[in-house]
Amino acid sequence: EAGVTQSPTHLIKTRGQQATLRCSPISGHTSVYWYQQALGLGLQFLLWYDEGEERNRGNFPPRFSGRQFPNYSSELNVNALELEDSALYLCASTGNLYLTRTEAFFGQGTRLTVV
Amino acid sequence: AQRVTQPEKLLSVFKGAPVELKCNYSYSGSPELFWYVQYSRQRLQLLLRHISRESIKGFTADLNKGETSFHLKKPFAQEEDSAMYYCALFPPGAQKLVFGQGTRLTINP
Repeated sequence: EAGVTQSPTHLIKTRGQQATLRCSPISGHTSVYWYQQALGLGLQFLLWYDEGEERNRGNFPPRFSGRQFPNYSSELNVNALELEDSALYLCASTGNLYLTRTEAFFGQGTRLTVV
Repeated sequence: AQRVTQPEKLLSVFKGAPVELKCNYSYSGSPELFWYVQYSRQRLQLLLRHISRESIKGFTADLNKGETSFHLKKPFAQEEDSAMYYCALFPPGAQKLVFGQGTRLTINP
């Protein structure tokens, strides 16, 4: 079974540009979570999508946004990039059965570097 | 507010010694708690969850509601246990996993 896949693996952008990160969940999973893993700050919750809707949002500015497509894949967009946006962005998916609902399966991440 | 605290950023023990990674949480209700692990060059993965009451790779974790703790323990550490460990809280209704800062565990030969 294919795991959560993220693309690209690495992304280098200039300050002020926009970045788009993509995530494909495990087949059958409907929920997608995005986390930012900045150096020394652990995993910070960004966004949660389920069934195409944004369900929850972390304490990040509006220039962090995203969407979920009908096939449950997701996109994270970061506008007006700032140097401190440099981090590893992780995507996770969860299933829709109660027993597996809260077990999150993570992708390898996209390393975003803003220069 | 829901919060997870892992007081040790770095923990180093010798092979064969007992290891305990501390985790304290802040939540008034009955949360679900997890330990996730990230080995070198691998993705973050679930190690164990408190509702399963299972032992994975020799690790166990007991939920202490009185002390709001969920410490991870292993009686005899192995070199392959070296990794980054994250404690996580899932507050029912909040629909998100809240992670601690993580503890980097190093097992010395």
